[in-house]
Amino acid sequence: AQSVTQLDSQVPVFEEAPVELRCNYSSSVSVYLFWYVQYPNQGLQLLLKYLSGSTLVKGINGFEAEFNKSQTSFHLRKPSVHISDTAEYFCAVIPTGGGNKLTFGTGTQLKVEL
Amino acid sequence: GAGVSQSPSNKVTEKGKDVELRCDPISGHTALYWYRQRLGQGLEFLIYFQGNSAPDKSGLPSDRFSAERTGESVSTLTIQRTQQEDSAVYLCASSLHKGGAGYTFGSGTRLTVV
Repeated sequence: AQSVTQLDSQVPVFEEAPVELRCNYSSSVSVYLFWYVQYPNQGLQLLLKYLSGSTLVKGINGFEAEFNKSQTSFHLRKPSVHISDTAEYFCAVIPTGGGNKLTFGTGTQLKVEL
Repeated sequence: GAGVSQSPSNKVTEKGKDVELRCDPISGHTALYWYRQRLGQGLEFLIYFQGNSAPDKSGLPSDRFSAERTGESVSTLTIQRTQQEDSAVYLCASSLHKGGAGYTFGSGTRLTVV
């Protein structure tokens, strides 16, 4: 079984400041990793994913994440946030060997302030 | 269709009534998933359909919950004798195939049981 931990339930940050949203996972098998964003009253939208290759993955809206296998982490970063980045962010994993469902973390609410 | 479509977008029902939620996946997506998102919480897996295989119902919280999918088309999630704790956003997602493709989510159905 897999589990995903997002330690920060809320992250306040000022506009144009950098941000890091933390994600750690636990799994006995290798996994693919994902970050999703959920804007208010909307469904989840895929930000980026790590399947293989370079451990630094770039996604939409200027976000990037780095897969660290030894630390079982997949932290999400953005060098300069905008008000429009205010949303809930979810980290998720799925086994590479054909698992049939994503396991999600509990989410991190990013609040960007002026 | 172009995206995953869910209906209704909002549903208010009285305790004890049955409700039916609908999901129309992206054409050609063989996998379909239902998740539940309670206020302030992460996503809770409910059920997974893959083609004509037997569905994975391991996440259904009680026998009041059931879901159907005909082939690779529309799915309906039915909740019988609704309870207040069923109030949540029910999200549907589909993917081209299981594993690393990631999911495309619908906008969800917000269910309120009064």
